[in-house]
Amino acid sequence: SQQGEEDPQALSIQEGENATMNCSYKTSINNLQWYRQNSGRGLVHLILIRSNEREKHSGRLRVTLDTSKKSSSLLITASRAADTASYFCATDSRGGGGADGLTFGKGTHLIIQP
Amino acid sequence: GAVVSQHPSRVICKSGTSVKIECRSLDFQATTMFWYRQFPKQSLMLMATSNEGSKATYEQGVEKDKFLINHASLTLSTLTVTSAHPEDSSFYICSARDWQISTEAFFGQGTRLTVV
Repeated sequence: SQQGEEDPQALSIQEGENATMNCSYKTSINNLQWYRQNSGRGLVHLILIRSNEREKHSGRLRVTLDTSKKSSSLLITASRAADTASYFCATDSRGGGGADGLTFGKGTHLIIQP
Repeated sequence: GAVVSQHPSRVICKSGTSVKIECRSLDFQATTMFWYRQFPKQSLMLMATSNEGSKATYEQGVEKDKFLINHASLTLSTLTVTSAHPEDSSFYICSARDWQISTEAFFGQGTRLTVV
Protein backbone atom coordinates (compact mmCIF):
# COMPACT_ATOMS: atom_id res chain seq x y z
CA SER A 1 0.00 0.00 0.00
CA GLN A 2 1.15 3.53 -0.63
CA GLN A 3 2.34 5.59 2.24
CA GLY A 4 1.95 9.24 2.83
CA GLU A 5 4.78 11.55 3.61
CA GLU A 6 5.08 13.51 6.78
CA ASP A 7 7.32 16.38 7.57
CA PRO A 8 9.28 17.06 9.45
CA GLN A 9 10.56 13.57 10.26
CA ALA A 10 11.82 14.91 13.56
CA LEU A 11 10.92 18.03 15.50
CA SER A 12 12.40 19.33 18.72
CA ILE A 13 10.85 22.33 20.46
CA GLN A 14 10.72 23.94 23.87
CA GLU A 15 7.90 23.21 26.26
CA GLY A 16 5.09 25.69 25.80
CA GLU A 17 5.73 26.24 22.11
CA ASN A 18 3.40 25.07 19.38
CA ALA A 19 4.27 22.07 17.23
CA THR A 20 3.08 21.68 13.66
CA MET A 21 3.34 18.49 11.66
CA ASN A 22 2.30 18.00 8.06
CA CYS A 23 1.11 15.00 6.14
CA SER A 24 0.59 14.43 2.43
CA TYR A 25 -1.13 11.51 0.78
CA LYS A 26 -1.75 10.20 -2.70
CA THR A 27 -5.19 8.62 -3.04
CA SER A 28 -8.75 9.83 -2.53
CA ILE A 29 -9.81 9.39 1.06
CA ASN A 30 -12.91 8.98 3.22
CA ASN A 31 -11.18 10.42 6.23
CA LEU A 32 -7.76 11.11 7.69
CA GLN A 33 -6.75 10.26 11.21
CA TRP A 34 -3.87 11.22 13.47
CA TYR A 35 -2.33 8.86 15.98
CA ARG A 36 0.29 9.16 18.69
CA GLN A 37 2.72 6.40 19.58
CA ASN A 38 4.96 6.45 22.58
CA SER A 39 8.20 4.55 22.18
CA GLY A 40 7.60 0.82 21.77
CA ARG A 41 3.91 1.05 22.54
CA GLY A 42 0.57 0.88 20.77
CA LEU A 43 -1.25 3.63 19.01
CA VAL A 44 -3.44 6.25 20.60
CA HIS A 45 -6.14 7.70 18.38
CA LEU A 46 -6.08 11.50 18.51
CA ILE A 47 -8.52 12.86 16.00
CA LEU A 48 -10.39 11.99 12.81
CA ILE A 49 -11.27 14.47 10.10
CA ARG A 50 -13.63 13.53 7.30
CA SER A 51 -13.00 14.35 3.68
CA ASN A 52 -15.75 16.98 3.67
CA GLU A 53 -14.30 18.78 6.69
CA ARG A 54 -11.58 21.40 6.54
CA GLU A 55 -10.69 21.91 10.17
CA LYS A 56 -11.29 20.20 13.45
CA HIS A 57 -10.34 20.90 17.06
CA SER A 58 -9.93 18.68 20.07
CA GLY A 59 -8.45 20.23 23.19
CA ARG A 60 -4.96 21.43 22.32
CA LEU A 61 -5.10 19.74 18.93
CA ARG A 62 -6.07 21.41 15.68
CA VAL A 63 -6.21 19.47 12.44
CA THR A 64 -6.68 20.87 8.97
CA LEU A 65 -7.39 19.01 5.77
CA ASP A 66 -6.92 20.25 2.21
CA THR A 67 -8.21 17.59 -0.17
CA SER A 68 -7.26 19.62 -3.22
CA LYS A 69 -3.63 19.47 -2.12
CA LYS A 70 -4.00 16.05 -0.51
CA SER A 71 -2.46 17.32 2.68
CA SER A 72 -3.22 17.68 6.36
CA SER A 73 -1.59 19.36 9.31
CA LEU A 74 -1.65 18.67 13.02
CA LEU A 75 -1.03 21.53 15.40
CA ILE A 76 -0.37 20.92 19.07
CA THR A 77 -0.59 24.13 21.07
CA ALA A 78 1.16 24.88 24.35
CA SER A 79 3.23 21.69 24.12
CA ARG A 80 4.10 19.67 27.21
CA ALA A 81 6.89 17.21 27.93
CA ALA A 82 4.28 14.43 27.88
CA ASP A 83 3.59 15.22 24.23
CA THR A 84 6.96 13.71 23.33
CA ALA A 85 6.09 10.84 20.99
CA SER A 86 5.83 9.84 17.35
CA TYR A 87 2.83 11.15 15.46
CA PHE A 88 1.37 9.40 12.43
CA CYS A 89 -1.28 10.39 9.98
CA ALA A 90 -3.35 7.59 8.50
CA THR A 91 -5.73 7.71 5.58
CA ASP A 92 -8.87 5.66 5.14
CA SER A 93 -9.63 4.98 1.51
CA ARG A 94 -12.14 2.16 1.85
CA GLY A 95 -14.29 1.80 -1.23
CA GLY A 96 -12.14 4.16 -3.21
CA GLY A 97 -9.77 1.62 -4.62
CA GLY A 98 -7.52 1.72 -1.60
CA ALA A 99 -6.97 -0.98 0.97
CA ASP A 100 -9.56 -1.46 3.67
CA GLY A 101 -6.86 -0.93 6.22
CA LEU A 102 -5.42 2.43 7.11
CA THR A 103 -2.42 3.69 5.20
CA PHE A 104 0.06 5.29 7.54
CA GLY A 105 2.49 8.10 6.92
CA LYS A 106 6.10 7.77 7.93
CA GLY A 107 5.60 9.72 11.11
CA THR A 108 7.05 12.70 12.88
CA HIS A 109 9.11 12.15 16.01
CA LEU A 110 8.34 15.05 18.33
CA ILE A 111 10.59 15.90 21.26
CA ILE A 112 9.49 18.49 23.78
CA GLN A 113 12.41 19.95 25.68
CA PRO A 114 11.54 20.86 29.29
CA GLY B 1 -13.76 4.03 22.64
CA ALA B 2 -13.86 0.31 22.03
CA VAL B 3 -11.13 -1.90 23.45
CA VAL B 4 -8.90 -4.23 21.50
CA SER B 5 -6.69 -6.54 23.53
CA GLN B 6 -3.55 -8.04 22.05
CA HIS B 7 -1.54 -10.79 23.65
CA PRO B 8 1.28 -11.32 24.35
CA SER B 9 2.83 -7.88 24.61
CA ARG B 10 6.33 -9.30 24.33
CA VAL B 11 7.64 -12.64 23.15
CA ILE B 12 11.10 -14.04 22.57
CA CYS B 13 11.38 -17.23 20.57
CA LYS B 14 14.07 -19.36 19.03
CA SER B 15 14.71 -19.31 15.33
CA GLY B 16 12.63 -21.96 13.57
CA THR B 17 9.78 -22.01 16.04
CA SER B 18 6.28 -20.62 15.57
CA VAL B 19 4.63 -17.85 17.55
CA LYS B 20 0.93 -17.09 17.87
CA ILE B 21 -0.36 -13.60 18.59
CA GLU B 22 -3.97 -13.05 19.63
CA CYS B 23 -6.12 -10.02 19.01
CA ARG B 24 -9.49 -9.72 20.73
CA SER B 25 -12.19 -7.11 20.51
CA LEU B 26 -13.55 -6.93 24.04
CA ASP B 27 -16.75 -4.94 23.75
CA PHE B 28 -17.71 -5.01 20.12
CA GLN B 29 -17.88 -7.41 17.23
CA ALA B 30 -15.07 -6.85 14.78
CA THR B 31 -16.24 -7.65 11.29
CA THR B 32 -12.78 -6.83 9.98
CA MET B 33 -9.39 -7.11 11.60
CA PHE B 34 -6.07 -5.88 10.32
CA TRP B 35 -2.51 -6.84 11.09
CA TYR B 36 0.33 -4.37 10.82
CA ARG B 37 4.08 -4.68 11.22
CA GLN B 38 6.36 -1.92 12.36
CA PHE B 39 10.15 -2.04 12.20
CA PRO B 40 12.17 0.21 14.53
CA LYS B 41 11.82 3.91 13.79
CA GLN B 42 9.56 3.17 10.83
CA SER B 43 5.88 3.45 10.10
CA LEU B 44 3.20 0.79 10.29
CA MET B 45 2.83 -1.39 7.22
CA LEU B 46 -0.40 -3.24 6.60
CA MET B 47 0.25 -6.96 6.31
CA ALA B 48 -3.20 -8.40 5.85
CA THR B 49 -6.91 -7.85 6.23
CA SER B 50 -9.18 -10.54 7.58
CA ASN B 51 -12.94 -10.75 7.59
CA GLU B 52 -14.66 -13.11 9.96
CA GLY B 53 -15.15 -16.52 8.45
CA SER B 54 -13.20 -15.91 5.26
CA LYS B 55 -9.60 -16.10 4.15
CA ALA B 56 -7.32 -13.18 4.85
CA THR B 57 -6.25 -10.83 2.11
CA TYR B 58 -2.51 -10.28 2.17
CA GLU B 59 -0.68 -7.20 0.99
CA GLN B 60 1.88 -7.54 -1.74
CA GLY B 61 5.13 -8.98 -0.49
CA VAL B 62 3.67 -10.62 2.60
CA GLU B 63 4.01 -14.41 2.60
CA LYS B 64 0.68 -15.97 3.48
CA ASP B 65 2.27 -19.30 4.35
CA LYS B 66 4.59 -17.64 6.80
CA PHE B 67 2.08 -15.33 8.45
CA LEU B 68 -1.02 -17.41 9.09
CA ILE B 69 -4.11 -15.46 9.99
CA ASN B 70 -7.25 -16.95 11.45
CA HIS B 71 -10.38 -14.92 12.10
CA ALA B 72 -12.70 -17.63 13.33
CA SER B 73 -15.01 -15.44 15.37
CA LEU B 74 -16.18 -11.85 15.47
CA THR B 75 -14.06 -11.16 18.52
CA LEU B 76 -10.83 -13.03 17.87
CA SER B 77 -8.15 -13.01 15.21
CA THR B 78 -4.79 -14.72 15.48
CA LEU B 79 -1.53 -14.20 13.65
CA THR B 80 0.92 -17.08 13.65
CA VAL B 81 4.47 -16.41 12.56
CA THR B 82 5.68 -19.78 11.36
CA SER B 83 9.31 -20.89 11.31
CA ALA B 84 10.35 -17.53 12.66
CA HIS B 85 13.71 -16.05 11.74
CA PRO B 86 15.59 -13.08 13.22
CA GLU B 87 14.43 -10.88 10.34
CA ASP B 88 10.85 -11.44 11.52
CA SER B 89 11.68 -9.59 14.72
CA SER B 90 9.37 -6.61 14.74
CA PHE B 91 6.44 -4.91 16.45
CA TYR B 92 3.14 -6.42 15.34
CA ILE B 93 -0.09 -4.48 15.90
CA CYS B 94 -3.65 -5.56 15.26
CA SER B 95 -6.60 -3.33 14.57
CA ALA B 96 -10.32 -4.03 14.54
CA ARG B 97 -13.30 -2.32 13.00
CA ASP B 98 -17.04 -2.76 13.01
CA TRP B 99 -18.19 -1.01 9.86
CA GLN B 100 -21.79 -0.90 11.09
CA ILE B 101 -20.84 1.18 14.10
CA SER B 102 -17.96 3.38 13.16
CA THR B 103 -15.32 4.13 10.61
CA GLU B 104 -12.78 4.39 13.41
CA ALA B 105 -10.27 1.60 13.78
CA PHE B 106 -9.28 0.47 17.27
CA PHE B 107 -5.76 -0.77 17.89
CA GLY B 108 -4.29 -3.37 20.18
CA GLN B 109 -1.31 -2.62 22.35
CA GLY B 110 1.09 -4.37 20.01
CA THR B 111 3.40 -7.37 20.36
CA ARG B 112 7.16 -7.04 20.37
CA LEU B 113 8.54 -10.20 18.76
CA THR B 114 12.22 -10.99 19.11
CA VAL B 115 13.58 -14.05 17.33
CA VAL B 116 16.94 -15.24 18.57
